[in-house]
Amino acid sequence: QLQLQESGPGLVKPSQTLSLTCNVSGGSISSGTYYWSWIRQPAGKGPEYLARMYIDGSIDYNPSLKTRVTTDYSPSLKSRVTISGDTSKNQFFLTLNSVTAADTAVYYCVSSPNWSPVGFDIWGQGTLVTVSS
Amino acid sequence: DIQITQSPSSLSASVGDRVTITCQASQDISTYLHWYQQKPGKAPTLLISDASNLESGVPSRFSGSGSGTDFKLTINSLQPEDFATYYCQQYDYLLRVTFGGGTKVEI
Repeated sequence: QLQLQESGPGLVKPSQTLSLTCNVSGGSISSGTYYWSWIRQPAGKGPEYLARMYIDGSIDYNPSLKTRVTTDYSPSLKSRVTISGDTSKNQFFLTLNSVTAADTAVYYCVSSPNWSPVGFDIWGQGTLVTVSS
Repeated sequence: DIQITQSPSSLSASVGDRVTITCQASQDISTYLHWYQQKPGKAPTLLISDASNLESGVPSRFSGSGSGTDFKLTINSLQPEDFATYYCQQYDYLLRVTFGGGTKVEI
């Protein structure tokens, strides 16, 4: 059974970079069976989609060329956010640059099946990130 | 961008009641809409996909309907474990995603 677990610092200073890791178990991030996403949720508000990644299992992976990996980003955050993965560790990552207090939220790593790329059916437990000096 | 308006933002109901939550999209999104349930301190869980498809393990008292711009989530015979916040999520043909503002179902 697929399980996701977020990790990373709970406190980040304004203007710095937020970096989170999602550890995946019960399935391979390079199998092509799932899409991998990050979603955040500020306290008392609805979820906000950040980014999505897909690794095509049918193509040989070249880590230097990052072939067979497709990514998608929220238009409102595209200039600050990056999603990436490490197939050897079965992890994927989120980096968010130049953070402000508005980036304070619970951050979730999420998966969705390849037949429903934005039907987010498996969620990690979430990790609270606070942006404060 | 497609906007999604969810209503009401909160409602009070009793065990056994029938509850309806609505989401309205700013333009035709066919059936590109999912529904989630979230309990305090927990991650959302997917209840209904593509407007009306009940996810595996979700009780049959939950149902979804609608297409185009108007969608409904109905809970028949509300149970104590159904008190939670519900979100709709729309997507378009480019898989751009927006969540609704949520509906808190309270006792």
